[in-house]
Amino acid sequence: QSVLTQPPSVSAAPGQKVTISCSGSSSNIGNNYVSWYQQLPGTAPKLLIYDSNKRPSGIPDRFSGSKSGTSATLGITGLQTGDEADYYCGTWDSSLSDVVFGGGTKLTVL
Amino acid sequence: QVQLVQSGSELKKPGASVKVSCKASRYTFTDYAINWVRQAPGQGLEWMGWINVNTGNPTYAQGFTGRFVFSLDTSVGTAYLQISSLKAEDTAVYYCARGAVHYSFDIWGQGTMVTVS
Repeated sequence: QSVLTQPPSVSAAPGQKVTISCSGSSSNIGNNYVSWYQQLPGTAPKLLIYDSNKRPSGIPDRFSGSKSGTSATLGITGLQTGDEADYYCGTWDSSLSDVVFGGGTKLTVL
Repeated sequence: QVQLVQSGSELKKPGASVKVSCKASRYTFTDYAINWVRQAPGQGLEWMGWINVNTGNPTYAQGFTGRFVFSLDTSVGTAYLQISSLKAEDTAVYYCARGAVHYSFDIWGQGTMVTVS
């Protein structure tokens, strides 16, 4: 059971937009920055979003992040088949004194 | 480019030990912490802890105390994860990841598969 809750799967058609939610509590998302990672099949995770809404250099602006209260959201526009991957949110949990991740969301681009 | 390169897959028997290496390149090794993340087969990411590359001080996440040891060799820019008294449930891919701002991880190693059987 993950500390952060994500939907197990989402799907959308190529060219469309999708959002992936990440729900937590005041001890984690509510008072800390959120990161998002993309894990393509058989590869290591890749940082997509840090500080809840910032993109590292090289990450296209099709990817966006937002946070409100104890929830965070990853948005992906202009979906491509190459976006099919597992997506994870992560943050610091002040009560556990650990970094915690969501259980991951599998994105299918139909 | 900046990268972390990990050692190859390992097959170990229960009760044995394993040591995974993570070599940094094209950045100043002592400028960033190294974190370790476990991913069991078909499962999500689990943070194991981190090591301060300046002081060598390790911090272990809950559930990763006792049999897990983080260490460094700064002369060769390499971090290590050692797991002792291996159990079948330690079977997983182990990633090292460079610590960036606010507990984000900006560079990841390619992962090391450890199989205990």
